[in-house]
Order: sequence, then C-alpha cells, then structure tokens
Amino acid sequence: ETGVTQTPRHLVMGMTNKKSLKCEQHLGHNAMYWYKQSAKKPLELMFVYSLEERVENNSVPSRFSPECPNSSHLFLHLHTLQPEDSALYLCASSQGRGGSSYNEQFFGPGTRLTVL
Amino acid sequence: AQKITQTQPGMFVQEKEAVTLDCTYDTSDPSYGLFWYKQPSSGEMIFLIYQGSYDQQNATEGRYSLNFQKARKSANLVISASQLGDSAMYFCAMREGVHTGTASKLTFGTGTRLQVTL
Repeated sequence: ETGVTQTPRHLVMGMTNKKSLKCEQHLGHNAMYWYKQSAKKPLELMFVYSLEERVENNSVPSRFSPECPNSSHLFLHLHTLQPEDSALYLCASSQGRGGSSYNEQFFGPGTRLTVL
Repeated sequence: AQKITQTQPGMFVQEKEAVTLDCTYDTSDPSYGLFWYKQPSSGEMIFLIYQGSYDQQNATEGRYSLNFQKARKSANLVISASQLGDSAMYFCAMREGVHTGTASKLTFGTGTRLQVTL
C-alpha cells in the first residue's frame, strides 16, 4: 500500500449506529488531519493531530470522536449521527518539520458517509 | 469574510487549449502559502502546485503555472494544453503563517469544476 488509504470507501448507517472510519498513511508523515466535504461547501477541517497529539478541534460535535494511536493511523469514531452529517470524509497527512518547505498535505480517497 | 474565494463554479475548455481558474485570498499575515489541489471523481485530493508569499517568481509545475499577483491577492491557476484527464474539481487553499509545530492548517475555497471537451 502506498500513500494515504481510507476504509471503508462507502458507509451507510442509521442514526443510532456506532461506526469507525480508518485512515492509514504509508508516507512516514507525522501530522494527520480529518476533513468533512459537504456538497457546495468548502472543505471543513475537523481535527489535526501532530505527533499523535490533537492540536486542533474545530468545534466539532462530540458525536465525532477522533483517535490517533500512532503516527500512521487515524480513526474517526461515529455515534448517534444526524442526516446532515452525510458527507465525504477525507483524511490527510503531512510531513511537518523536516519535510519540504511546502508541507503539502497528501489526501486519501475519502469515505462517503450516508446517515439515514 | 471568506479567506479563499473561487468565483467560477464551473468552467469549460476545449482539449489542447489553456484555461485559467481564478482564486483570490484574504489574509493580514505577511507569511502565507497558496496551494492548488485537483479532485477527480474518485474523491482523492491531488496536490498540484504551491506558491509562497515571499517567492519572487510564479510557481510552475509541468503544465500547471500559478499567476501570483500579490498586490491583488490573487493566485490563479493556469493549465496549458488541457487534456481530457484534467476534468475534475479544482480547489485553491491557503496556509497562513509559517509552520506552527509539525502540522499545517489549510483553508479551502469552494472549488471550480473544470470540464475538458473534445
């Protein structure tokens, strides 16, 4: 596997379900991100992890719970979601210090989530 | 106020022609970086090109170039010799400040859908 992978690619869940999204990066990066992409809206940054420590939480409802057990893996635990949470959830990683001066983010293919 | 503005929701261009996708930004930070990403229908965001606020020359990367006009706060993407595979959503994004810690925070625009026709 190369780059940033996300599983599952598609997920349909009811409002009472609990599910988790998984992201794995194979790039040796030390920062990871969760974004939400809704139709006709800019990407919304949800969480940022730097060296496995959460450094940003953009007022995301508590029904979204991130977990970063190590620098290669990032999870987004979901529970009691609402239909308006249906969106494409994108994971990204970046090198951080010691990387290119761009510190560009590399994205996974996303998980298309539908909440019924 | 929006930090990144992309005023073109959709654009058409004929194959082999050049196309310019507009992006304007708003920041009071003297140090910032501007990125362009491509998102095909598969969903993955692909990094295309970067321009730093202190860079003296416009960035170029193969068929992609960035028309950076600092005083006007614009960072338009120019794609030369368009190909059918260029059909996708294109997003402009900005990072304000230098790297803070190891992570970089990006603010994205709403994107432009480019359709390349025969």
